[in-house]
Amino acid sequence: EIVMTQSPATLSVSPGERATLSCRASQNVNRNLAWYQQKPGQVPRLLIYGASARATGFPARFSGSGSGTEFTLTISSLQSEDFVVYYCHQYENWPRTFGQGTKVEI
Amino acid sequence: EVQLVESGGGLVQPGGSLRLSCAASEFTFSNFAMSWVRQAPGKGLEWVSTVTDNGGSTYYADSLKGRFTISRDNSKNTVYLQMNSLRDEDTAVYYCAKDHGRGGGCLGDWGQGTVVTVSS
Repeated sequence: EIVMTQSPATLSVSPGERATLSCRASQNVNRNLAWYQQKPGQVPRLLIYGASARATGFPARFSGSGSGTEFTLTISSLQSEDFVVYYCHQYENWPRTFGQGTKVEI
Repeated sequence: EVQLVESGGGLVQPGGSLRLSCAASEFTFSNFAMSWVRQAPGKGLEWVSTVTDNGGSTYYADSLKGRFTISRDNSKNTVYLQMNSLRDEDTAVYYCAKDHGRGGGCLGDWGQGTVVTVSS
């Protein structure tokens, strides 16, 4: 099983600042990596797929990069609604696996 | 807009069984793989299982050890998760999710979830 490790577990930043979230895969997943955003009490939403393609409805301040085993989600200028939890997810191999999540807090 | 509506959750004793259903609409159901993902209270997301578009292949999390079975009925636009020998640690919100694209692999649309509580 591919283990996905996200860091940090909690990221403390101020509104307007840049946030950089990391996700590391224990094996090569090529670019089969997605990011999801989950607000409190809500359903997860696909944010990034194919490592860098932004899903419908998300603004350009969200960007993804990386390939192989190292991936990054960058939020260029944090808005109040961005202070939530983000998960990475590999869909290269079975079983699919998620990272444990990064909480972005003020 | 894609609609995914889960049902079948509830309270069950350890060792019991439940069958979850997910009714899909507003897309061509038979063109997409479907998955179940769960989230224990206060915890992260855990992928549970996926069934391919025609039902020909199924995949499971290693931790389930044969207790769960995913299936689909394309004539009813519904995917199922049969859960047997339930344990306390199976307590979670169970989400049904649709592949982002045909063969995409990531999860583009999610239902609202159904709550499963395993407790005596």
